[in-house]
Amino acid sequence: QVQLQESGPGLVKPSQTLSLTCTVSGGSISSGSYYWSWIRQPAGKGLEWIGRIYTSGSTNYNPSLKSRVTISVDTSKNQFSLKLSSVTAADTAVYYCARLSPGITVGYYYYYYMDVWGKGTTVTVSS
Amino acid sequence: EIVLTQSPGTLSLSPGERATLSCRASQSVSSSYLAWYQQKPGQAPRLLIYGASSRATGIPDRFSGSGSGTDFTLTISRLEPEDFAVYYCQQYGSSPPIFTFGPGTKVDIK
Repeated sequence: QVQLQESGPGLVKPSQTLSLTCTVSGGSISSGSYYWSWIRQPAGKGLEWIGRIYTSGSTNYNPSLKSRVTISVDTSKNQFSLKLSSVTAADTAVYYCARLSPGITVGYYYYYYMDVWGKGTTVTVSS
Repeated sequence: EIVLTQSPGTLSLSPGERATLSCRASQSVSSSYLAWYQQKPGQAPRLLIYGASSRATGIPDRFSGSGSGTDFTLTISRLEPEDFAVYYCQQYGSSPPIFTFGPGTKVDIK
């Protein structure tokens, strides 16, 4: 059974870069047609998708964060990572990593849903 | 960009009652691209429904999803104590790829 675990600093100073890693266990990050994703949730608020990566390195980002986000993958370590630059207090949130599993429509279009989630890690942006 | 609206914001019900949660999209959404998640305090979201009506692995059959176009519904036929939580709908946009969540519906104990 695949499990995900986020790790990284819990406190980041304003204007610096937030860096988190998600470690995949119980299976290879390269097996199957999965994407791997980051989502965040400010305290008491809703969910915001940050971006996704395929093991080939292909990425897609939320347009609202695209200029500040980089997601990368290290298949040798079974990990993928998030970097968010120029952070402010508005970036304070619980950050989740998740697996995106594919479905296919009758018309042979792929769609994705988040079927495995990490437990989340809290990141606070403060001086 | 498609915006999802969920109603009601809070639903107060008793165990054993039926819960009906609504998710409305600002534009038509392929039903395949609509999912529902449950989140309990201090926990990560859990996938309940994908493709608008397919239950995820291990999800009890008291949870069901339906709908098409712009209107989607999550129904919990008989609320169990562990079902009191926040529920989010989410749509997948393919061009460009983007995931959008609704603001959530909280189901609490009356």
